[in-house]
Amino acid sequence: DAGVIQSPRHEVTEMGQEVTLRCKPISGHNSLFWYRQTMMRGLELLIYFNNNVPIDDSGMPEDRFSAKMPNASFSTLKIQPSEPRDSAVYFCASSLEGHYNEQFFGPGTRLTVL
Amino acid sequence: AQSVTQLDSQVPVFEEAPVELRCNYSSSVSVYLFWYVQYPNQGLQLLLKYLSGSTLVKGINGFEAEFNKSQTSFHLRKPSVHISDTAEYFCAVTDTGGFKTIFGAGTRLFVKA
Repeated sequence: DAGVIQSPRHEVTEMGQEVTLRCKPISGHNSLFWYRQTMMRGLELLIYFNNNVPIDDSGMPEDRFSAKMPNASFSTLKIQPSEPRDSAVYFCASSLEGHYNEQFFGPGTRLTVL
Repeated sequence: AQSVTQLDSQVPVFEEAPVELRCNYSSSVSVYLFWYVQYPNQGLQLLLKYLSGSTLVKGINGFEAEFNKSQTSFHLRKPSVHISDTAEYFCAVTDTGGFKTIFGAGTRLFVKA
C-alpha cells in the first residue's frame, strides 16, 4: 500500500488567496483526520471524518476553514481566504474505525502564506 | 477532558546511552496510550501502544514504555540509542469511549556521536 497520500507537499501563497490541500487515505480505512502542526501550538486536530461523514469539526479555527470528504478515497481541506497565521504543516491521517487503532499519517503539506 | 504533558522539550544523549522520555497524562476515564515518532520532514508513525493487559509494552526499534496508572505516566525508554533515533517523539492519549487523540507537545531527542 502506498500509505496516506497528500498533495501538494509544499504550498506558498499570498494572503487572501484560496488554498486547497488534498488527501487520499489508505484503502479500507474509514476514519480520516486533519491535523495542523505549528511550533507554538503543536499538533492540533482540526476535523475528524468517519465513513465520509464529519463527526467533529470543533478544532477548525474559523469559518475560513472547510473540509470535505466526497468519497472514501479523497478529502480536501480548504482555506479561503488564507492568512499568514495559517502557515503550518497540515497532516492527514487515516485509520480503521476504533479509537484504539493506529493512525497512519501522510507526509504533510507545508503551507506558507506570505 | 484529557491532557498530555511531556516533561522535556529536548533530550540530548550520547550514542549507546540509555534514554527515557517522560509523559504524564490526566483523564477522568480509562484511556489508551500511544507513542509516535516523527522523523524530519515526515509524518508521525506509531512506536507502540497500550490498550490493556501487561503494563510493559514493547514497540519497534527497541523502544518500550511502561504504563503506571497510579502515577498517570507512560514513559518511553530505550536501553541504547543510535544516531538514527534522532527525531521528535509524541505521547498521545485517547479515552476508551471516544475517538479524539490528544497529542503532547513533543520531545526532541538528539543523539550525539
